[in-house]
Amino acid sequence: RKEVEQDPGPFNVPEGATVAFNCTYSNSASQSFFWYRQDCRKEPKLLMSVYSSGNEDGRFTAQLNRASQYISLLIRDSKLSDSATYLCVAYSSASKIIFGSGTRLSIRP
Amino acid sequence: DADVTQTPRNRITKTGKRIMLECSQTKGHDRMYWYRQDPGLGLRLIYYSFDVKDINKGEISDGYSVSRQAQAKFSLSLESAIPNQTALYFCATSVENTGELFFGEGSRLTVL
Repeated sequence: RKEVEQDPGPFNVPEGATVAFNCTYSNSASQSFFWYRQDCRKEPKLLMSVYSSGNEDGRFTAQLNRASQYISLLIRDSKLSDSATYLCVAYSSASKIIFGSGTRLSIRP
Repeated sequence: DADVTQTPRNRITKTGKRIMLECSQTKGHDRMYWYRQDPGLGLRLIYYSFDVKDINKGEISDGYSVSRQAQAKFSLSLESAIPNQTALYFCATSVENTGELFFGEGSRLTVL
């Protein structure tokens, strides 16, 4: 079993829709969590950190559920420019940074 | 200019050749990493270094070696390239005790 698992998608949704991704992690020692965005053939870039209390950045909301060991990303009012691959990342106290395989999102006009 | 710079950006080589991918950073971070990315497999860690004299194997280090020449430079070598090392390679840096990574733009390697 992978340490960080994501639904690979693709998710194909119309512009303006709300879409949510989940990511599960197996290492209960994981301390910090992140969502990265990766455009085709480009480097991953940090989208947002994920805090226990949940956090919001504009149209993006991230949640962490430690009891069930999953994190989520919600995108509201999706734009064409949101089309990308979203990578879930877990960081543990042993300084391990583990990436999920990514979820592909495609927004259609 | 990019904070994390990789060279070359693209390289086509033949089986058996020695290849070096170079990474330099201006962020002043101690921690540096090399990842490879293959379709459907996400990012996999090859080697990482927390300081100039520190080298650690990642999950897929076989067939690769690294050199941390200075705080700002971390090179990845393929001593004898093989076709299944065809991939997109990323260098990254991070600050201690955080999982936030800063990536270079990637080096696309094709081994024929």
